Amino acid sequence: EAGVVQSPRYKIIEKKQPVAFWCNPISGHNTLYWYLQNLGQGPELLIRYENEEAVDDSQLPKDRFSAERLKGVDSTLKIQPAELGDSAVYLCALGRLAGGPYEQYFGPGTRLTVT
Amino acid sequence: DQQVKQNSPSLSVQEGRISILNCDYTNSMFDYFLWYKKYPAEGPTFLISISSIKDKNEDGRFTVFLNKSAKHLSLHIVPSQPGDSAVYFCAASGGTSYGKLTFGQGTILTVHP
Repeated sequence: EAGVVQSPRYKIIEKKQPVAFWCNPISGHNTLYWYLQNLGQGPELLIRYENEEAVDDSQLPKDRFSAERLKGVDSTLKIQPAELGDSAVYLCALGRLAGGPYEQYFGPGTRLTVT
Repeated sequence: DQQVKQNSPSLSVQEGRISILNCDYTNSMFDYFLWYKKYPAEGPTFLISISSIKDKNEDGRFTVFLNKSAKHLSLHIVPSQPGDSAVYFCAASGGTSYGKLTFGQGTILTVHP
């Protein structure tokens, strides 16, 4: 069973400010995901990493969002500058196997409120 | 383009009875389907999955049924317990979405004692 620590759990910022979220996997998993979840919706993929490589970032708004995964372990997601519409829960998840169907294990998420 | 849809926003069931949660998908390339459960302030937790080569998968009180011709899957919980009260998401993977999960909007299940 994978463990995923995310920090901070809650963040309130004013629009146009930068913000960063951290994902710290307790156990080693090759595949790491960042999802965005709006209220009343399911999670939507932002970016997927296989080890250190971002293999799917097609849904990441690259004008304001950036992400990195250091040494294929911890990961950071950044927004600069934040907009009101970015208010959501940001979820980090780990995958069990690379290249095949598998379950994903989610962290508790960071709830971002942009005012 | 909502490729995975859960058309019932909520479901209320009496304890001990059956809960049936439904999910429809449009992408015929999906070949792996999962159900997740989510409690408030927690991340989604994997519940049960099914491959497209099967039409049923059972795990304790939870059974998932897949009807490929109708592009429909359902999750049955028998008997339902108050602790099952949560938001349930179905998700799908496959085709060009291989390695990526596409989620439905979720169904809020409330099990009354």
